[in-house]
Amino acid sequence: EIVLTQSPGTLSLSPGERATLSCRASQSVSSTYLTWYQQKPGQAPRLLMYAASSRATGIPDRFSGSGSGTDFTLTISKLEPEDFAVYYCQQYDTSSLTFGGGTKVEIK
Amino acid sequence: QVQLVQSGTEVKKPGASVKVSCKASGYSFTNYYLHWVRQAPGQGLEWMGRINPHTGDTNYAQKFQGRVTMTRDTSISTAYMELRSLRSDDTAVYYCATWEVVHNSLEYWGQGTLVTASS
Repeated sequence: EIVLTQSPGTLSLSPGERATLSCRASQSVSSTYLTWYQQKPGQAPRLLMYAASSRATGIPDRFSGSGSGTDFTLTISKLEPEDFAVYYCQQYDTSSLTFGGGTKVEIK
Repeated sequence: QVQLVQSGTEVKKPGASVKVSCKASGYSFTNYYLHWVRQAPGQGLEWMGRINPHTGDTNYAQKFQGRVTMTRDTSISTAYMELRSLRSDDTAVYYCATWEVVHNSLEYWGQGTLVTASS
């Protein structure tokens, strides 16, 4: 099973700042199968980025994704108040999925 | 619009079983795999397995093998997840979600069902 490790666990930033979230895999993951979700308290996760760098429908362009192999990054260029949430990466491999432990982006 | 509506909160005793439903609307039910993901209080997301609504074929996470069964009723566009031999650490919100095969991602999610296993 591929293990995804997200860092940092918590990111304390102010609105307008840049957020850089990391997702590291225990073995190589095709970027086609690397996805990011956003989750706010009391809500279901929301699809944010698929195929590592493609924004889902309705996701603003301040969100970007990059990476390949075992290292992937989600960047939020300028944090808006609604961006403070928990972010999860997820990979798909041979009919199973695994999620990273999540990164909480909180207001400093 | 695509909607997944799940059944309501459940409170069960340890050792019991729970069956959560997920009713789909706004798309062709048999065209998209349905996955189940759970989230313990204050914890991250954990994949449990998936069902092909067209064939009924399933894949389960190894952790839940032997304890979980996913089924569907195509006549009412509803998927089910049954978890048996509940333990206190099964207390979680359980989500169903559709798999978007082009994007290889969980695109639409149900609202979640809280299952509490407590004596």
